[in-house]
Amino acid sequence: EAQVTQNPRYLITVTGKKLTVTCSQNMNHEYMSWYRQDPGLGLRQIYYSMNVEVTDKGDVPEGYKVSRKEKRNFPLILESPSPNQTSLYFCASSLGTGLGDTQYFGPGTRLTVL
Amino acid sequence: GQNIDQPTEMTATEGAIVQINCTYQTSGFNGLFWYQQHAGEAPTFLSYNVLDGLEEKGRFSSFLSRSKGYSYLLLKELQMKDSASYLCAVRDEDTNAGKSTFGDGTTLTVKP
Repeated sequence: EAQVTQNPRYLITVTGKKLTVTCSQNMNHEYMSWYRQDPGLGLRQIYYSMNVEVTDKGDVPEGYKVSRKEKRNFPLILESPSPNQTSLYFCASSLGTGLGDTQYFGPGTRLTVL
Repeated sequence: GQNIDQPTEMTATEGAIVQINCTYQTSGFNGLFWYQQHAGEAPTFLSYNVLDGLEEKGRFSSFLSRSKGYSYLLLKELQMKDSASYLCAVRDEDTNAGKSTFGDGTTLTVKP
């Protein structure tokens, strides 16, 4: 089944404890992206990757890191999480950024930083 | 940058038609997407416009006017399962096509 998977789905952690949220897609998509969603707000883009070894900042990259060493994986790293990073995180992928290339979203990771 | 506006909430009756508007101000434009998101779930793709005009897909249609920075999503024959949040998203221009900006979403409640 074509899908985007994220792990973990739920995570409660404490301030300053490094964590990684994994994202994997099995559709051979070139483009991948991370978003966060907060109550009453839309999706805000954190980082995106146009292809392997190519990553760029979105609108809210502060406090996050990403890497794209393989086409299928795009982990999100929080080196020193803070309470303001408590949010619902979505990973997404698309074939590319050509006309009509729609994004497919993972199920989401609900992160709480105490 | 991009700025996208859509109404926060709308209510409609089962079987009726509802139109959800989206306006955008952009420094670049390479397509507008509509996504549906049920509470606690991931967004799923509904519709895409890059040229002016109407795109129809079953009960859902989307319209775009690039000169006015305006789009709408039209939902016909509303069903209870259409109660969800509807997100308007704009993709940036070719040289920056990796960037996508989403509106805050319109929460639609369908009543019997």
